[in-house]
Formats: sequence, structure tokens, C-alpha cells
Amino acid sequence: DIQMTQSPSSLSASVGDRVTITCRASQGIRDDLGWYQQKPGRAPKRLIYAASTLQSGVPSRFSGSGSGTEFTLTISSLQPEDFATYYCLQYDSYPRTFGQGTNLEIK
Amino acid sequence: DVQLLESGGGLVQPGGSLRLSCAASGFTFSSYAMSWVRQAPGKGLEWVSSIGTRGPDTFYADSVKGRFTISRDNSRNTLYLQMNSLRAEDTAVYYCANQRYTSSSVDYWGPGTLVTVSS
Repeated sequence: DIQMTQSPSSLSASVGDRVTITCRASQGIRDDLGWYQQKPGRAPKRLIYAASTLQSGVPSRFSGSGSGTEFTLTISSLQPEDFATYYCLQYDSYPRTFGQGTNLEIK
Repeated sequence: DVQLLESGGGLVQPGGSLRLSCAASGFTFSSYAMSWVRQAPGKGLEWVSSIGTRGPDTFYADSVKGRFTISRDNSRNTLYLQMNSLRAEDTAVYYCANQRYTSSSVDYWGPGTLVTVSS
């Protein structure tokens, strides 16, 4: 099984900050990676797929990069509605595996 | 708009069974693969199972293999998860989600249904 190691597990930041979240795969997954945002009590929402393709309707301050084993999600200028938990998901092979999550909190 | 609505959750004793349903609308259900993902209270996301468009193409997490069965009824636009031999560690919110192909990432998610396994 492919292990996804996500860091950091938590992050405190302020509105307007630039933040980066990283996911590392235990083996190469090409660009078969998605990023999801989850707010408390809500279902996850896909932000990015194919490592860097922005989901329709997602603000352009979100961006993704990487290929192979190293991936990043960047939020260029944090907005109040961005404080949430973020997960990566590899879909290169089954079983699908998620990163452990990054809880993004307001500083 | 894509809509997915899970039902069938509830309280069940260890060793018991439950069948979850997911009613889909707003997209051509028969042309999409589907998945179940769960989230234990206060924990992260765990993929459970996926199914291709016609049914024979199914995939399971090791933690549920042999106990859970995913199926679909394209005539009813409904996805199912039959859960047998339930354990306390199966307690979670269960989400259904669509994906364009079995090789794709999950896209839209339903609001989830809570399954509690407890005596």
C-alpha cells in the first residue's frame, strides 16, 4: 500500500499569510494526487486534482504542485473562510490512501 | 447540481449488520464510478470501497474486505454498502462520493451518515 505522509499536522496562520502544506508518497504516484478541504461538521470538498488542476469554482489563491513523491498545496493569501482541515489523497492505485490531515487554525 | 444523499446509518450492536444507501442526482449516475469513505469521530479520512460503472469492478480496504459489500443499482441511481460483522472500530461517518472513473479521484461528496457500533 502507498503511504501518504502529510505535514505539518497543524498550522497557525493569519489572514493574508501564504501557507504551504506538503504530502509525501512512499512510492511514485505520477500526478495522481488530490487535495481536499473539510470544515467542521461538513463533507470534504475537492480543491485540486491531478496534483495541480484547480477544481471549477475554487479560488485561484489555491494552487498545487508536484509529481512523483512530493506534492504541495499553497494558499497564497489566507482568507477567513480558509481555516479548515486539508487532506491529500493518492489515487494512483488501490487501496486509496489519504494523508493524516493538516488543521489550519487562526493565529 | 450534483446531489448525493446517504441514509441507513444508526446504532447497531457489535456483530450486527447495516445497509447504507446513497441516492444520486444531478449527473449521469450509470456513467460514474462511486466510492465510500469514512471518518471516525475526531479522526481523518479513510477510503473504504469503490465500484465501477457496471458493478463487477470493486475494490475494498483491507480493514473491511470480506465483511462489507459495495453494490449499485443504476436503474434507481443508488449506491449501497452492505456492512456485516460490524465492529466498534467501524464507528464513523460514512460518505459516498462520485468519481469519473475507477482510476479518478473522488469528486463530489454527500453529507454523510453516522454509523455507531456499540452494545
